[in-house]
Amino acid sequence: DAMVIQNPRYQVTQFGKPVTLSCSQTLNHNVMYWYQQKSSQAPKLLFHYYDKDFNNEADTPDNFQSRRPNTSFCFLDIRSPGLGDAAMYLCATSRLGQGLSNEKLFFGSGTQLSVL
Amino acid sequence: KNEVEQSPQNLTAQEGEFITINCSYSVGISALHWLQQHPGGGIVSLFMLSSGKKKHGRLIATINIQEKHSSLHITASHPRDSAVYICAVLPPGTASKLTFGTGTRLQVTL
Repeated sequence: DAMVIQNPRYQVTQFGKPVTLSCSQTLNHNVMYWYQQKSSQAPKLLFHYYDKDFNNEADTPDNFQSRRPNTSFCFLDIRSPGLGDAAMYLCATSRLGQGLSNEKLFFGSGTQLSVL
Repeated sequence: KNEVEQSPQNLTAQEGEFITINCSYSVGISALHWLQQHPGGGIVSLFMLSSGKKKHGRLIATINIQEKHSSLHITASHPRDSAVYICAVLPPGTASKLTFGTGTRLQVTL
């Protein structure tokens, strides 16, 4: 059974029309990540939550926001999508143990976003 | 120069061949991940290593911390192993920023 679930698998939006991508997990992990991956490139970390603490990467555009209402769910909001935001968006989770020892990452299957 | 280098970038093998993908990194790490991504698909975490060797089915991953090098081996390769294999390292004391290698695109033919 899938442990990190992303919906939808494919999302089409219009230029400038807000869009929300969702991620849920059944692992009770305390860390959740959002990555952006463009074609033939490595994933790029946008932000992550450690419990409720939000950590934004310095180069993540303001256009990208995130919400984590509870342990299981995390949302990626793109306020005004541009053509350059078309990409695969990957959610991942992990459990950060004591002493900041990180455990294995679990990825969702991703949401492929198209911007028309 | 990237902090995480993988070789080869592209690899074609025939079914049944033994495959090795290499990863070298130049930074201190607390862990190294080997990830698999099929075309158009999400990422599957294969291994997380901080020392030694791990084995799962036909996959074996090794790491040499002193030499800052890791290898992923696939024994008895199969066309379904065709994917991009990504090495990613995690700096010490952080929950967050994996540094990804450029990936190795593997094609296994019949």
